[in-house]
This record gives sequence, structure tokens and C-alpha cells, in this order.
Amino acid sequence: SQQGEEDPQALSIQEGENATMNCSYKTSINNLQWYRQNSGRGLVHLILIRSNEREKHSGRLRVTLDTSKKSSSLLITASRAADTASYFCATVASGYSTLTFGKGTMLLVSP
Amino acid sequence: SAVISQKPSRDICQRGTSLTIQCQVDSQVTMMFWYRQQPGQSLTLIATANQGSEATYESGFVIDKFPISRPNLTFSTLTVSNMSPEDSSIYLCSVPGTADEQFFGPGTRLTVL
Repeated sequence: SQQGEEDPQALSIQEGENATMNCSYKTSINNLQWYRQNSGRGLVHLILIRSNEREKHSGRLRVTLDTSKKSSSLLITASRAADTASYFCATVASGYSTLTFGKGTMLLVSP
Repeated sequence: SAVISQKPSRDICQRGTSLTIQCQVDSQVTMMFWYRQQPGQSLTLIATANQGSEATYESGFVIDKFPISRPNLTFSTLTVSNMSPEDSSIYLCSVPGTADEQFFGPGTRLTVL
């Protein structure tokens, strides 16, 4: 099964700065999703981008998808301390309905 | 979005014992998913549970170790059998949304001594 690779593994920034996380995957996908997990609790769905889309926005989030490079990036603008969490990308492979998660990026936003 | 609860939220168990984790959804869903998240790691899908049929297990997971029940469209259980310290993980259930996203329960943090 494919597995996404994310970088960086950890990111530490100050409030107000932008945070960028990257995700790469291995096979053809139907869509790619980003989730947030606070302190080992349940995951929260943030945004979904389909394979025929290149960019998507939701509030302070911007996601890009490059299917030729099999990569995606998540940009969080004007970060807040409350954005401190682990962020995971997850892919749905073409013809499937299950999620395959990347290894995640731990984001620390300091006040 | 679906609201999902899990019981217990956490537990500490002795090796060789079994623990059953419950997942309750506030709406009827056809599919439910069970994931394992080992310490410091990402999520790995254990199985997909459909109501009225046997669960479908992913590679590396077997029914004898992780039996799953799905008695109705709002409830499922996952049992972790004959536990060892390597089973210490967070176990999460999830259900699909209307647009391929998934909604997750709060997780069950299991520690095996």
C-alpha cells in the first residue's frame, strides 16, 4: 500500500508566521486530505482536494496538489498558538474508499 | 458531520488479557473503520466494518487478534485479544462523510503492561 511522506517531521514557528507542510505519495489518487490531531486525540478533517484540482482554500488554509510530482502542500497563514498540533495528509487511491495516512508533521506555534 | 464517541477513553491492561473498545455514532452509517496509532506514529487502518457482513482486514491484521462486531448501523466494537506491550496504541474508529472525508472518534489510549 502507498504511504505518504511528510516533511518536515517537526516545525516550530512564532505566532503570526506562516507554516508550510509538504506531503508526497506514491500511486494514483482520487483525492488527498489533510487532518489535524491535537495531543493524541481524535483527528479533525481540515480540507480535501481532488485529483483534478490544483489549489484549494479554506479560511487560513491553502492546499496545493501536483499530481505529476505526486505531492501536496498545506499552508497555514497567520498561525496561532491554537494551531499547535500534528498534521497528517491522507490519500484515497483511485478505485478505493479507504484512507492511507502519511507520517505527519508536528507543528508548534509559540506565542 | 457525524458525532462519534468511544469507550473507554483510556485503559491500562495486563499482558495476555483482552479489551473491547466501543464506537457509537449519532447517525446510521454503512461503513465504519478502525485504526491503530502506535506511539509517535501515523494511523494504520486495521479493518473496515460493514453492518451485516464480516469485517475486511488489512494486511498484517487478523480476525483472531482483532475481532470486530457490527451489530447495527450506529455501533461497532473492536477487541484487542491476548494483548502484549506492542499493542499499546491509540485505537480510533471513524465513519465516512458525504464527500470522501472521514469523521473520527476521540480515540482509546491503551497501555499494556
